[in-house]
Amino acid sequence: QVQLVQSGAEVKKPGASVKVSCKVSGYTLTELSMHWVRQAPGKGLEWMGGFDPEDGETIYAQKFQGRVTMTEDTSTDTAYMELSSLRSEDTAVYYCATAPPLRGSSWHDYWGQGTLVTVSS
Amino acid sequence: DIVMTQSPDSLAVSLGERATINCKSSQSVLYSSNNKNYLAWYQQKPGQPPKLLIYWASTRESGVPDRFSGSGSGTDFTLTISSLQAEDVAVYYCQQYNNWPPELTFGGGTKVEIK
Repeated sequence: QVQLVQSGAEVKKPGASVKVSCKVSGYTLTELSMHWVRQAPGKGLEWMGGFDPEDGETIYAQKFQGRVTMTEDTSTDTAYMELSSLRSEDTAVYYCATAPPLRGSSWHDYWGQGTLVTVSS
Repeated sequence: DIVMTQSPDSLAVSLGERATINCKSSQSVLYSSNNKNYLAWYQQKPGQPPKLLIYWASTRESGVPDRFSGSGSGTDFTLTISSLQAEDVAVYYCQQYNNWPPELTFGGGTKVEIK
């Protein structure tokens, strides 16, 4: 059973950056494909990017390219999502979510508890 | 980009009655090489992360009650709750993964309430 535990809530000013962590247990990061999804207050789910196990690369949604960086520390089985140049519209709950490590099986079977990021001056 | 459109936005169903949620994709998510539809369904209860219900359009995730079923092919899909229970009050999302990489796309969500 995979468990994903995310870092705590953050409050940031416009223009700043935020880095959210996601600690994996039950499996190692190398056995999973990690993705990030966000949800603005009262809104739907928005996929931000994820790891493609076939090419070994992280792919970002076009909307976030240039502003988001997703990294992994396999020594601690922790994934990170850093979003820069924050604006008020980035206020959301950010989720890490895994997918089976096969390119064609990219549904999200395990989710972290979510991290609320509030962007406010 | 593949756009996923869900309908209705919300619905109210009596306990024990059937709830039907629709999801339409702007392009087919059927992969002809394996005849599989690259579509998943999720349930999200208030204050909780989403939970995977169904993948390959109709395969229930382990532990999901059999009152949840998925159907459809190509561009039109349905999630059916055969007999609504109080614990099924939630928002339901569809997601396509046929266009991955480079993208995964969610529908806008359908809120299910008790009438």
